[in-house]
Amino acid sequence: RKEVEQDPGPFNVPEGATVAFNCTYSNSASQSFFWYRQDCRKEPKLLMSVYSSGNEDGRFTAQLNRASQYISLLIRDSKLSDSATYLCVVNGVGNAGKSTFGDGTTLTVKP
Amino acid sequence: GAVVSQHPSWVICKSGTSVKIECRSLDFQATTMFWYRQFPKQSLMLMATSNEGSKATYEQGVEKDKFLINHASLTLSTLTVTSAHPEDSSFYICSASLGGSTDTQYFGPGTRLTVL
Repeated sequence: RKEVEQDPGPFNVPEGATVAFNCTYSNSASQSFFWYRQDCRKEPKLLMSVYSSGNEDGRFTAQLNRASQYISLLIRDSKLSDSATYLCVVNGVGNAGKSTFGDGTTLTVKP
Repeated sequence: GAVVSQHPSWVICKSGTSVKIECRSLDFQATTMFWYRQFPKQSLMLMATSNEGSKATYEQGVEKDKFLINHASLTLSTLTVTSAHPEDSSFYICSASLGGSTDTQYFGPGTRLTVL
């Protein structure tokens, strides 16, 4: 089993749709969690950190469920510019504090 | 803030040559820098963790003698791919952490290496 698993995707949605991604992690000692987006042939860029209390940044909402060991990302009112690969990243002392990346979920927003 | 640069952005070289990639944190001091490799349609794979002034910690399966890492200062880490072969062709990305390896990482723009 992979340490970090994401929805396989791809997700193809129309503009304005709401889309949700899930990510599960296996190491219960994991300490911090992030969502990154990566455009084709570019480096990952931090989208948002994820907290147990949930956090929202405009159209994006991230949530952490430690008991079930999963994190989620919700995108409302999808824009064409949201098309990208979304990476779930988990950091944890169980792996010497290193980051473990999910394989990514590809989102395509169509007009 | 938290800008990380990489140089070169792309390189094409002949098999057997060595290639050095630089990673710089431009506006902060990075205690820890990470080197990743990403093959097409795959996720980032951590190659090594680099701490200033000490030897890098390599992930299992990554040859330390082939991928030489030097973290000479708090703003500069270098990765040298020695005797590169076509199978080393990949997208190499560095990241820098503001404080400790559990902190947010800021990624460089990546270096696309093609070995002929």
